[in-house]
Amino acid sequence: NAGVTQTPKFQVLKTGQSMTLQCAQDMNHEYMSWYRQDPGMGLRLIHYSVGAGITDQGEVPNGYNVSRSTTEDFPLRLLSAAPSQTSVYFCASSSGIRDSQGETQYFGPGTRLLVL
Amino acid sequence: GQNIDQPTEMTATEGAIVQINCTYQTSGFNGLFWYQQHAGEAPTFLSYNVLDGLEEKGRFSSFLSRSKGYSYLLLKELQMKDSASYLCAVRDPKDGAAGNKLTFGGGTRVLVKP
Repeated sequence: NAGVTQTPKFQVLKTGQSMTLQCAQDMNHEYMSWYRQDPGMGLRLIHYSVGAGITDQGEVPNGYNVSRSTTEDFPLRLLSAAPSQTSVYFCASSSGIRDSQGETQYFGPGTRLLVL
Repeated sequence: GQNIDQPTEMTATEGAIVQINCTYQTSGFNGLFWYQQHAGEAPTFLSYNVLDGLEEKGRFSSFLSRSKGYSYLLLKELQMKDSASYLCAVRDPKDGAAGNKLTFGGGTRVLVKP
């Protein structure tokens, strides 16, 4: 199993450009989520999905769109990038089963985004 | 809303013990997680507490008191490789559509010195 994969690893954008951050998991997990991580602020939830066709907003959704057409994929779209979106973006997934690890989330390696 | 506090940074010596505290004020509670994150890498799962008490896993232990809104992560026999950030996260109490929403603290950076 590859686990949770993210592409690209690094990206530089100009203000106003659009792009899609890709996230895929091969663990057949129902729950997927996107976080951004900024210095001193921890991880903040952007959007999440409890299954294919179902998405909802997290704590900081403005400027981002998501879709979930398959169980495996959960792309994050920036429609018009702004410098405030410079951050490290993590995708995560979990099984939907409250086992001994409490249905922990598994994180991808992250995408480092710089918006100029 | 959710509010989670943990110290920004701690320093300890190799072989020693360090305790990282986490306090939370939330509208409900449905489990608390600790993650380890090395610089430039993804967070990885360390421990999970949903009932009061101590959970021990080798050199790492985690404690929870729900009545006090308090948890700690105890790292024993510190090794240089334990230098990392440690993230405390609380799960939203709602099930169903919000069944696994996590709110994270800002993280505690631990530096282990020789």
